[in-house]
Amino acid sequence: QVQLVQSGAEVKKPGASVKVSCKASGYTFTGYYIHWVRQAPGQGLEWLGRINPDSGGTNDVQKFQGRVSMTRDTSITTAYMELTGLRSDDTAVYYCARGGPLPYYYKNPDYWGQGALVTVSS
Amino acid sequence: QSALTQPPSASGSPGQSVTISCTGTYSDVGGWNYVSWYQQHPGKAPKLIIYEVIKRPSGVPDRFSGSKSGNTASLTVSGLQAEDEADYYCISYASSNAVFGGGTKLTVL
Repeated sequence: QVQLVQSGAEVKKPGASVKVSCKASGYTFTGYYIHWVRQAPGQGLEWLGRINPDSGGTNDVQKFQGRVSMTRDTSITTAYMELTGLRSDDTAVYYCARGGPLPYYYKNPDYWGQGALVTVSS
Repeated sequence: QSALTQPPSASGSPGQSVTISCTGTYSDVGGWNYVSWYQQHPGKAPKLIIYEVIKRPSGVPDRFSGSKSGNTASLTVSGLQAEDEADYYCISYASSNAVFGGGTKLTVL
């Protein structure tokens, strides 16, 4: 069965960086896109970007102005999302989710990880 | 890319039907049949209930149905049950990216 297992909660200071991992199993890791989505406390879902685990190519929203970096390690079927220059409004639960099969980058996510809470506080 | 527009709240009594709208533009909802809907209970990850506008993943009750007209997609929940009380989000493909709606809190009265 498809499973996405994310790393645990993190507490970071403003200006620091955080790297969230997403371990995939139950399907061919390089055959499906991985999306990253976040949800601030009490707020809605916000799409951050997607990565092609086969090529490593990414798409992300301009809003983050290069602060978001999505990578993967195919040898351990794990995707990563790193966010730099953390601010208090980056406090959120960060989710990874499996997208469509390559090359269908326009298909939306189906299976989701459990989420990782990132708290930014001085 | 602006968020898709959903009503903040919706409600209905058990057994009734409720429809939640998701309005975008020709660049997202109107231009592509790649609209999905998710159900999210408090403290849980979102769960896919509708994909590609009208399709239902296996295991999702047929009480959930999707549709689209122009730039607006809709989710209808028929025969409301207590466990349907949750937040619902739409998402659409949009010019190489994706965009979510703001979410709708569905209350079963």
